[in-house]
Amino acid sequence: DVKVTQSSRYLVKRTGEKVFLECVQDMDHENMFWYRQDPGLGLRLIYFSYDVKMKEKGDIPEGYSVSREKKERFSLILESASTNQTSMYLCASSGPVRGSPLHFGNGTRLTVT
Amino acid sequence: AQTVTQSQPEMSVQEAETVTLSCTYDTSESDYYLFWYKQPPSRQMILVIRQEAYKQQNATENRFSVNFQKAAKSFSLKISDSQLGDAAMYFCAYRGQGGSEKLVFGKGTKLTVNP
Repeated sequence: DVKVTQSSRYLVKRTGEKVFLECVQDMDHENMFWYRQDPGLGLRLIYFSYDVKMKEKGDIPEGYSVSREKKERFSLILESASTNQTSMYLCASSGPVRGSPLHFGNGTRLTVT
Repeated sequence: AQTVTQSQPEMSVQEAETVTLSCTYDTSESDYYLFWYKQPPSRQMILVIRQEAYKQQNATENRFSVNFQKAAKSFSLKISDSQLGDAAMYFCAYRGQGGSEKLVFGKGTKLTVNP
């Protein structure tokens, strides 16, 4: 079974802090994704990566950056956390085959105070 | 850009009954993939079912089946013999042709199962 692991389940940070959300997958998947989930808005794509050191902006990249130095790890970075970034963050990975489903981590609930 | 619409924010069903969750989507592509994901209170997103657009036959997985109407761009999920463990948020999602194409999600339907 594919395992996608997010380093923190709950995180509380202060406004202005630099925040790192880490995600690791164990299936040698090329594609990795960061989504943000808010009630009534569903899941919105922040960034995705289809290879090491490659990244593409999703629908809501403002205020975020990403890093993919190794194939198994995809980090989401909040350069200066703000209260409107309080949310659930979901990491996912998928293989290169067309139509592959995404496999998700358990999510990180981030609160910025 | 592709969009996915789930018109039912909440649904409820009696245990052992059948419920259908609606999903419509908009795309100009002819080949694509559709998914239903379940998210229980544990927050883990679980793949329920997958449909390939070029296949006429509706996908089924045990008690879960879809009604895929390509011309109408409709992709509803039917849950038969509902169980308490089916209570969750259900998300419909669309994925385009490329291998790295992102998954576009609807806003979700919260399903309650009443004993």
